[in-house]
Amino acid sequence: DTAVSQTPKYLVTQMGNDKSIKCEQNLGHDTMYWYKQDSKKFLKIMFSYNNKELIINETVPNRFSPKSPDKAHLNLHINSLELGDSAVYFCASSQADSVYEQYFGPGTRLTVT
Amino acid sequence: RKEVEQDPGPFNVPEGATVAFNCTYSNSASQSFFWYRQDCRKEPKLLMSVYSSGNEDGRFTAQLNRASQYISLLIRDSKLSDSATYLCVVNIGGGNNRKLIWGLGTSLAVNP
Repeated sequence: DTAVSQTPKYLVTQMGNDKSIKCEQNLGHDTMYWYKQDSKKFLKIMFSYNNKELIINETVPNRFSPKSPDKAHLNLHINSLELGDSAVYFCASSQADSVYEQYFGPGTRLTVT
Repeated sequence: RKEVEQDPGPFNVPEGATVAFNCTYSNSASQSFFWYRQDCRKEPKLLMSVYSSGNEDGRFTAQLNRASQYISLLIRDSKLSDSATYLCVVNIGGGNNRKLIWGLGTSLAVNP
């Protein structure tokens, strides 16, 4: 019955690898997001999709590519991982746009060695 | 000036204490304001939205001061379970470009 789920929960990988994180929401929401929370606990929006359409694309390296196959799923693929990519990545969803309450997944803790 | 600023704390208070957090924001056009709570190694969860007239939810009271561009959160009769990081969140932009800007959070530890 999890509202927003992410897999995997933990991801340890080496520099230069390519990895994907998956996110699914069963709330019927139109909008989904990817956030990055770094070691200083700063939560920063990366991407936002509304009905599979990219709405917000912050200044994120193009090694990061989101994909939304349908409005219940938003995946994040990362190419050529770097040490600085180590962080917790949160997926979230909301009813319409960001002025509504956002529901977060449990996070994916990515460690790049 | 940062878009959303909070005192990071930590605030250490005894059970039963009243504690208040403030948050300032830089964009005078912001329309939506929230307090989220984040427990250690968990995801953020909405605590309460902040309305212009101020609002209360049990032991929690949120206030908005548009003239001074700050919002506050007051917690009365603190419980051990209130220990967490409290995130101030403000929206900026309009139309499809609306997005939330998150403060760094204020850490609260309630001690027995």
